[in-house]
Amino acid sequence: GAGVSQSPSNKVTEKGKDVELRCDPISGHTALYWYRQSLGQGLEFLIYFQGNSAPDKSGLPSDRFSAERTGGSVSTLTIQRTQQEDSAVYLCASSSGPGADYGYTFGSGTRLTVV
Amino acid sequence: DAKTTQPNSMESNEEEPVHLPCNHSTISGTDYIHWYRQLPSQGPEYVIHGLTSNVNNRMASLAIAEDRKSSTLILHRATLRDAAVYYCILRDNTNAGKSTFGDGTTLTVKP
Repeated sequence: GAGVSQSPSNKVTEKGKDVELRCDPISGHTALYWYRQSLGQGLEFLIYFQGNSAPDKSGLPSDRFSAERTGGSVSTLTIQRTQQEDSAVYLCASSSGPGADYGYTFGSGTRLTVV
Repeated sequence: DAKTTQPNSMESNEEEPVHLPCNHSTISGTDYIHWYRQLPSQGPEYVIHGLTSNVNNRMASLAIAEDRKSSTLILHRATLRDAAVYYCILRDNTNAGKSTFGDGTTLTVKP
């Protein structure tokens, strides 16, 4: 597609429920990143994929968070047993190469609200 | 992770140039300097990046100090649509996964 697509754009869930957030990167982009942004804050790194493997998952806040990427394309971020502190905008980005000489292209994000 | 320091906010008049500063005194030789901007309710948008030399593109220019400890994003003629939060980040080419975004600079453009 023309850009990075994220779905759903908004998600309201009850505390304790599981949620899945989806990211469709730009076709051909090998690197994919998940960040989250709490209200009024900067971006917090969660996980990085190169192809289908995740060389850096150091930002996942707890074992309730997991992510996978299949076919070198679509990625899913899963949050189990959601808590109110998980409320944030979850942003996905992709880039055409693995190194730092490539810019991120971000999606518009999924706004997650845990009630 | 190498960190960056930016002013919290800046103001500019429409159609005037804007110079947004960024300090990164602990930059390493493998760090690229990237700039992004974020409008309300949108994901960040790539603006420009560089390693050592100054860079120009259709959106902006990036001036990098000779010692690389600071850089400046230059918007040549600010428009109302340039009002956004601007983030300066470092990306390590030996570990390009994780980047640290600070609070950025909120740019206000006055008509």
